[in-house]
Amino acid sequence: RKEVEQDPGPFNVPEGATVAFNCTYSNSASQSFFWYRQDCRKEPKLLMSVYSSGNEDGRFTAQLNRASQYISLLIRDSKLSDSATYLCVATVGSSNTGKLIFGQGTTLQVKP
Amino acid sequence: GAVVSQHPSRVICKSGTSVKIECRSLDFQATTMFWYRQFPKQSLMLMATSNEGSKATYEQGVEKDKFLINHASLTLSTLTVTSAHPEDSSFYICSARDRLNLYEQYFGPGTRLTVT
Repeated sequence: RKEVEQDPGPFNVPEGATVAFNCTYSNSASQSFFWYRQDCRKEPKLLMSVYSSGNEDGRFTAQLNRASQYISLLIRDSKLSDSATYLCVATVGSSNTGKLIFGQGTTLQVKP
Repeated sequence: GAVVSQHPSRVICKSGTSVKIECRSLDFQATTMFWYRQFPKQSLMLMATSNEGSKATYEQGVEKDKFLINHASLTLSTLTVTSAHPEDSSFYICSARDRLNLYEQYFGPGTRLTVT
């Protein structure tokens, strides 16, 4: 079983749509979680951290359910520029010495 | 924000040769650097964790004699792919952890290696 699992998609949505991505992690000891964005043939870039209470950054909302070991990302009012691969990440080990474990990524295509 | 560079950005080499990839933190000191490999349509897989002045810690299944890592200073780590084979062709990405801000990792732009 993969440590971090995501539906690879692709998700094809029209501009303005709301889209949600889900992710599950297997290590119950994981403490920190993130969503990264990766554009084709580029390095991943941090989109947002994910907190237990849920957090929002503009059109993006992240949720964490520790009991279910489940993380989500909601994108509202999708833009063409949101087209990318979204990587779910869990840490193993402490926040300052641990490793990032990446999911396979979910591909989003926003169409005009 | 913190900047991490990688050199070269792209390299093509013949089978059997060795290739060195550099990862530099440009405006901060990195006690720890990480090396990842990403095959097409797959996730980033951590290869090794590199701490300044000590031996790298390799993930299970990664051959330390094939992927040589040196972290000689707080701003530079190198990955050498020795006796490269076509199956080593991949996207290699490094990240660095800021000595003064241990909770964040900053990624380099990646190096695309093609072994012919």
